[in-house]
Amino acid sequence: AQSVTQLGSHVSVSEGALVLLRCNYSSSVPPYLFWYVQYPNQGLQLLLKYTSAATLVKGINGFEAEFKKSETSFHLTKPSAHMSDAAEYFCAVRVDTGRRALTFGSGTRLQVQP
Amino acid sequence: NAGVTQTPKFQVLKTGQSMTLQCAQDMNHNSMYWYRQDPGMGLRLIYYSASEGTTDKGEVPNGYNVSRLNKREFSLRLESAAPSQTSVYFCASSEEGQGVSGYTFGSGTRLTVV
Repeated sequence: AQSVTQLGSHVSVSEGALVLLRCNYSSSVPPYLFWYVQYPNQGLQLLLKYTSAATLVKGINGFEAEFKKSETSFHLTKPSAHMSDAAEYFCAVRVDTGRRALTFGSGTRLQVQP
Repeated sequence: NAGVTQTPKFQVLKTGQSMTLQCAQDMNHNSMYWYRQDPGMGLRLIYYSASEGTTDKGEVPNGYNVSRLNKREFSLRLESAAPSQTSVYFCASSEEGQGVSGYTFGSGTRLTVV
């Protein structure tokens, strides 16, 4: 079975600083990986997804993530944080065998300080 | 552009009461899912439906039942609500075709059981 670990339930950065949100996965077969963002009292919005094409994936709002098989990681980055990036971020994994539902990490709440 | 629609948005139940959460999608997706979101635990899969007429248990199915009424609709029923079922519930849908699709989420139902 696949699983996802997000290191750091809360991350705080200053406006303009680098954003780095960590995600490690466990899967016995090649995974598909996703990052979602959730703003307060809203649903989940897809930021980006890795589907075995390019290992560096660019998403919306200036975010990107790099799939590193050797490290089983899919960390999310953004060069310069904006106040509007404050939200909760979820990493998710899916594999192509059996159940095709997403398995989510526990989430990382990003705080952006002025 | 409706996407995935969930009703109601908010609900307060007394312990032992029953209710059905409704979900409908207008994207002609085959697969639909019910998740619950609890603080610090991410989203956990309750039930899913790979296609019309089929349903399967997820990680946390106890206390819930589902019905895939047709291709568009996937409902979640709590027969006898318990305080442990206080949560935010999300419905999602997806389609498999060439490659991996994104998953579209509804805006959620916030349920409180007192």
